Amino acid sequence: DAGVIQSPRHEVTEMGQEVTLRCKPISGHDYLFWYRQTMMRGLELLIYFNNNVPIDDSGMPEDRFSAKMPNASFSTLKIQPSEPRDSAVYFCASSRQGANEKLFFGSGTQLSVL
Amino acid sequence: AQKVTQAQTEISVVEKEDVTLDCVYETRDTTYYLFWYKQPPSGELVFLIRRNSFDEQNEISGRYSWNFQKSTSSFNFTITASQVVDSAVYFCALSATDTGRRALTFGSGTRLQVQP
Repeated sequence: DAGVIQSPRHEVTEMGQEVTLRCKPISGHDYLFWYRQTMMRGLELLIYFNNNVPIDDSGMPEDRFSAKMPNASFSTLKIQPSEPRDSAVYFCASSRQGANEKLFFGSGTQLSVL
Repeated sequence: AQKVTQAQTEISVVEKEDVTLDCVYETRDTTYYLFWYKQPPSGELVFLIRRNSFDEQNEISGRYSWNFQKSTSSFNFTITASQVVDSAVYFCALSATDTGRRALTFGSGTRLQVQP
């Protein structure tokens, strides 16, 4: 099993640019989560999907952030336009039965917005 | 609202010492799940343990042990005879439905440094 795959591992961009983060969950996992990790706020849940449908997006900071899951094997998190305060590590995680069982995390995307 | 508190920001010990990482949680839910995750310097988050709210038995796995006490809303993690490879940030997390949906909330983490 390849685990949760995130790309890119690192992204450096300039303020105002569009950023797209990608995630491939583990096959057979019905839940997909996007988390953001910063020194100030720790690990925050941004959004999660069940069977490709967004269930809770209350953690999405603002309209500049959007997430999609067009099929069971792919999700994107987009920031447009990006701002320096978006700099963080973004993690994708998946599980079979949601947040009541262990999550399998990807390696994360380190985003730096200059 | 659900909340996880890890009061210890950073702990430094010398190899072979025992160390306990504290975790206190809050939830109105009656069915909830508690977790510990490890984040080594490489950055990935690794699952360590999951307990449900109906099972208060302590658990031991090698040098790791966990003490779950509902009376004090605590789920503490002890590493016995610590090793340098244990150096990492450790997160306690709670899965509950206080927000109306089941969500996993993480504590702020405890950075453990094990000196040789």
